[in-house]
Amino acid sequence: NAGVMQNPRHLVRRRGQEARLRCSPMKGHSHVYWYRQLPEEGLKFMVYLQKENIIDESGMPKERFSAEFPKEGPSILRIQQVVRGDSAAYFCASSPRVQDGSPLHFGNGTRLTVT
Amino acid sequence: AQKVTQAQTEISVVEKEDVTLDCVYETRDTTYYLFWYKQPPSGELVFLIRRNSFDEQNEISGRYSWNFQKSTSSFNFTITASQVVDSAVYFCALFSNDYKLSFGAGTTVTVRA
Repeated sequence: NAGVMQNPRHLVRRRGQEARLRCSPMKGHSHVYWYRQLPEEGLKFMVYLQKENIIDESGMPKERFSAEFPKEGPSILRIQQVVRGDSAAYFCASSPRVQDGSPLHFGNGTRLTVT
Repeated sequence: AQKVTQAQTEISVVEKEDVTLDCVYETRDTTYYLFWYKQPPSGELVFLIRRNSFDEQNEISGRYSWNFQKSTSSFNFTITASQVVDSAVYFCALFSNDYKLSFGAGTTVTVRA
């Protein structure tokens, strides 16, 4: 069973461009989370999705950021008009269920650099 | 709101020493789960252990052990006989009724040969 797959591993964007980060959860996992890790900091929750539905987006910046988890295909975290402050590592995690506190399995992350 | 505090920012030890990482949490929920994750220099996040709020039994798994005490809201983690490969950032995390994982700031462990 392959782990959580994130791509690209590294992404460089100029200010004002769009960044699209992809996450394929583990097989059978319908719960997907996105976290952001700024340099020298811990992981901050961004959004929680469950197949086609956004359950909790309380950690998402109000503008420029959006996330989706379509019925078919990977989850996408989209950042429009990137700024230097968006430079960070973005981690995706998946879980088969949440009611019993099943561990979140994380991908290797996408390191976004905005120049 | 859930909160996880890891007071130790950095710990440096010599190989074979034991390392204990402190974690204190806050939650109003009666059912919750506590985790430790490891982030080695390569950057990925590795799940280590999980404990639920109803089970205070402390366990040992290989060189890892943990001490969960609800009375003090602490979930400490110990690496016995540390090795250089244990060098990493260790995160304590809490999962409860808001269905999301709240992380502490992390403790950087450096094991010197």
